[in-house]
Amino acid sequence: DIVMTQSPDSLPVSLGERATINCKSSQSVLYSANNKNYLAWYQQKPGQPPNLLIYWATTRESGVPDRFSGSGSGTDFTLTITSLQAEDVAVYYCQQYYNTPWTFGQGTKVEIK
Amino acid sequence: QVQLVQSGAEVKKPGASVKVSCKASGYTFSGHDINWVRQATGQGLEWMGWMNPNSGHTGYAQKFQGRVTMTRNTSINTAYLELSSLRSEDTAVYYCARIGYGSSTIDRWGQGTLVTVSS
Repeated sequence: DIVMTQSPDSLPVSLGERATINCKSSQSVLYSANNKNYLAWYQQKPGQPPNLLIYWATTRESGVPDRFSGSGSGTDFTLTITSLQAEDVAVYYCQQYYNTPWTFGQGTKVEIK
Repeated sequence: QVQLVQSGAEVKKPGASVKVSCKASGYTFSGHDINWVRQATGQGLEWMGWMNPNSGHTGYAQKFQGRVTMTRNTSINTAYLELSSLRSEDTAVYYCARIGYGSSTIDRWGQGTLVTVSS
């Protein structure tokens, strides 16, 4: 199984400041045939199901604010929130869909400093 | 709009089985794979498997092989997850989720069904 490791586990950030979450996979999730990274990011607020933010490592889902962006390739990925808003307080998960079983990172809790 | 509406909370005794339903609307049910993901209270997300509603083909995480069955009824646009030989560690919120065309990953989730296993 591919192991996904996020850092940090908890991230206090002041309103308006940048938040950066890292995700590392135990093996590459880049499929050479189509040059796509099978890596997604989800946001989960308390009592709600996760919400897709980013797929193919860098493509923003429709309706997601442009302050959210994804970067990286191969085994190392980053989710950046450029200017943290109060409504961004949540747990964020990376997920690989390169092969089954699909696996998620342990989550990063973003809170207001 | 796309909706996945799941059945209500369940309480089961150890050793019993549970069957959770997921009714899809707002899109062509047979056109998108359905996955199931669970989350224990305060814990992370655990992928259980997938089902193609058109063919009925399934793929399960090895951890659940032999205990999980994913089925569907296309006449009522509903997918089902059945988990047998329940133990306390199976207490969790179970989510059904749709796979998107463009993303090839989960793009819509049901609201979740809490399954509690307790004697």
